[in-house]
Amino acid sequence: DSGVTQTPKHLITATGQRVTLRCSPRSGDLSVYWYQQSLDQGLQFLIQYYNGEERAKGNILERFSAQQFPDLHSELNLSSLELGDSALYFCASSVGLAGEEELFFGEGSRLTVL
Amino acid sequence: EDQVTQSPEALRLQEGESSSLNCSYTVSGLRGLFWYRQDPGKGPEFLFTLYSAGEEKEKERLKATLTKKESFLHITAPKPEDSATYLCAVLQTNRDDKIIFGKGTRLHILP
Repeated sequence: DSGVTQTPKHLITATGQRVTLRCSPRSGDLSVYWYQQSLDQGLQFLIQYYNGEERAKGNILERFSAQQFPDLHSELNLSSLELGDSALYFCASSVGLAGEEELFFGEGSRLTVL
Repeated sequence: EDQVTQSPEALRLQEGESSSLNCSYTVSGLRGLFWYRQDPGKGPEFLFTLYSAGEEKEKERLKATLTKKESFLHITAPKPEDSATYLCAVLQTNRDDKIIFGKGTRLHILP
């Protein structure tokens, strides 16, 4: 158990809908990362937050947004969903800012868009 | 374009048959190279961090090495429980904290 909690584990929805994925980092970790994993693209970095502030941005679509709350949990919002958004979405956390220490990953949220 | 390329994509070995997985990277500057293991339906699990060329780290049957252009994950006398996808990732200098992952090598150890 990594100590990172993601909900929901599975989510099935229709095209055009909006969903919210939630992540609780390990106790004491200030950085939260979001990744998308699909079969053909591997793990794609979406966005990182550190202590409530956006720190780094990857290939995150404009239809996606995220935030980190004062209690350090994070939410990833996916809107106007398309079939291609079907993937595993992972949250990871780390203690510090620089990303040089290990990331602790949750078990992921599997999103299926029909 | 900055890239992390892993090879082979998939590898099947007999139990006890040693081999190596490759991770080559083309980034402007390396702050760290990471190896992770991912089991089906699970999140990646950290194995090693390497910071500079020539560095080596070991854990049980795994040893990771780093050169200026690539890293190897050597698996010695593997067991079926070593079957997993092994992911390589890099953290670049002067590029905020974006960690780029390769697509992984799917390793299957036959008993």
